[in-house]
Amino acid sequence: GAVVSQHPSWVICKSGTSVKIECRSLDFQATTMFWYRQFPKQSLMLMATSNEGSKATYEQGVEKDKFLINHASLTLSTLTVTSAHPEDSSFYICSAASLGTQYFGPGTRLLVL
Amino acid sequence: AQRVTQPEKLLSVFKGAPVELKCNYSYSGSPELFWYVQYSRQRLQLLLRHISRESIKGFTADLNKGETSFHLKKPFAQEEDSAMYYCALSGRDAGGTSYGKLTFGQGTILTVHP
Repeated sequence: GAVVSQHPSWVICKSGTSVKIECRSLDFQATTMFWYRQFPKQSLMLMATSNEGSKATYEQGVEKDKFLINHASLTLSTLTVTSAHPEDSSFYICSAASLGTQYFGPGTRLLVL
Repeated sequence: AQRVTQPEKLLSVFKGAPVELKCNYSYSGSPELFWYVQYSRQRLQLLLRHISRESIKGFTADLNKGETSFHLKKPFAQEEDSAMYYCALSGRDAGGTSYGKLTFGQGTILTVHP
């Protein structure tokens, strides 16, 4: 149980385009999901907390207009990287909370050319 | 502010040897501590949490509030324990409810040699 999926698993896009990443809790409902970013050989950095039916809460230094988060249902949160640039290339990981524990997705590798 | 420190980026032991992965934290309130593990090419998964006081795959961790530590220990390491280990902290409100969001340490790569 408690499986979280992400789609796509990897994406390559041109600079200036927008990319949407989906995070789904497959067998449980999650009122709260989290989005992290991980650079090579570094730890996970929390970007934002996504709450179902309300606006996301962004961590300091994370541009909310750059990283749009939508949590329209109890099983789906999306992260849209708008007007992506090469510096946005990274590994994006989501997690969904259930009973005080976070369950992580497999991650999405984004490469912006 | 909350902070998690894992002082060792790399840790190597031989099979059958004891292993201890260090984790220290800084948090003014009541913390909830976790250990997550990431095996090669797999997603991050929960290993254990301090409130459960359980042993998973032979690993244990005790929260030491005096030393603000949550070190992960295993008496006899196995080759399959080789992985990246992350210590993480979540704050809790006055009622004991977790805020949910996690602060991660930098991680320790454990290699167990045959």
